Amino acid sequence: SQELEQSPQSLIVQEGKNLTINCTSSKTLYGLYWYKQKYGEGLIFLMMLQKGGEEKSHEKITAKLDEKKQQSSLHITASQPSHAGIYLCGADNDKIIFGKGTRLHILP
Amino acid sequence: DARVTQTPRHKVTEMGQEVTMRCQPILGHNTVFWYRQTMMQGLELLAYFRNRAPLDDSGMPKDRFSAEMPDATLATLKIQPSEPRDSAVYFCASGGQLGSGQYFGPGTRLLVL
Repeated sequence: SQELEQSPQSLIVQEGKNLTINCTSSKTLYGLYWYKQKYGEGLIFLMMLQKGGEEKSHEKITAKLDEKKQQSSLHITASQPSHAGIYLCGADNDKIIFGKGTRLHILP
Repeated sequence: DARVTQTPRHKVTEMGQEVTMRCQPILGHNTVFWYRQTMMQGLELLAYFRNRAPLDDSGMPKDRFSAEMPDATLATLKIQPSEPRDSAVYFCASGGQLGSGQYFGPGTRLLVL
């Protein structure tokens, strides 16, 4: 069955630094979603990628899907305390699945 | 602004009791999802509906869990009887057109003693 593996599991960065989170699939992705979850709250939809090589941006967050459509990266530029939370990737192929998440902490 | 609402937000109950969680999807969304989130397993899909019809409930323990959509504005997830291992945060999400993602409710935190 398809699995999504996220790395790193947790990340601590200084405010203002850039960072990257990765999501790797064991199968070709037909749709890859990125969500953010603040501690104790529900998930917030960030963006969806469908085409190989596609790149989307939302404010200071950029997500890319590789040409083979098996890996996606989420990049945050000039991180801020408001970026702290758990980032999850999700896929909707024959089944809806999510990665285990990456916990991001921003140090002031 | 439109949001998915869930009730109750918190529930503490004893093993063996029935638990009912409710969700009001965003008006106009035709897909509704139920998820369970734990530290160990992460986010797991339990069931989902499209146009009120159940499409996939393979992630749900059938002997004790049941999910229904009595109408387009209400989805329910019921556990009977509840067990300590059911303790988790249960999320409802609704979705509209393809590519717009799912919109999650705030979740119901369930603790079964």
